[in-house]
Amino acid sequence: GQNIDQPTEMTATEGAIVQINCTYQTSGFNGLFWYQQHAGEAPTFLSYNVLDGLEEKGRFSSFLSRSKGYSYLLLKELQMKDSASYLCASLDSNYQLIWGAGTKLIIKP
Amino acid sequence: IAGITQAPTSQILAAGRRMTLRCTQDMRHNAMYWYRQDLGLGLRLIHYSNTAGTTGKGEVPDGYSVSRANTDDFPLTLASAVPSQTSVYFCASSTGDGNTEAFFGQGTRLTVV
Repeated sequence: GQNIDQPTEMTATEGAIVQINCTYQTSGFNGLFWYQQHAGEAPTFLSYNVLDGLEEKGRFSSFLSRSKGYSYLLLKELQMKDSASYLCASLDSNYQLIWGAGTKLIIKP
Repeated sequence: IAGITQAPTSQILAAGRRMTLRCTQDMRHNAMYWYRQDLGLGLRLIHYSNTAGTTGKGEVPDGYSVSRANTDDFPLTLASAVPSQTSVYFCASSTGDGNTEAFFGQGTRLTVV
């Protein structure tokens, strides 16, 4: 079957660094997406990885290891506005997104 | 403002009633999607359309139908609502090239009582 696993909730301190992990098992693989979703709002795109390695985009970076079926989202210099849910999604062989349940990130002052 | 718009924003619906959720995009995207989002679960695909005139079933299609008469509009219809269809519904669109991001509407919060 197809499965995306990510932690349900994480807590971090303002100014710190946090890493949100995601493991995936999908029928075929055409890339891994990360989205941010603030409470009561729509998901918004953060990153896309299809090749192994680290993609850096400002304070956010995303890593992919296809052999391990593993990705992480790294958030640096955390700000209160980063409090949100972070959704991991794998693009399967039919180019359909398979979504994890999301990781709720709580930032404390 | 370019983007994707859903209506209504929220709705309380009596069980057994018929309801159509509207979705319109002005980005000329080929692909459109309907998801439901429930607490503790990931976004689940209800129906999708890769291009105008075609539709397909997603992971949880039962009780829902869609149509794609043109590029811009992708309405979702609940023929006879049941309480288990209480959820937040998101419409999304993308170019359909697979590795491009999906843009989401603001969501419709539906409560079936």
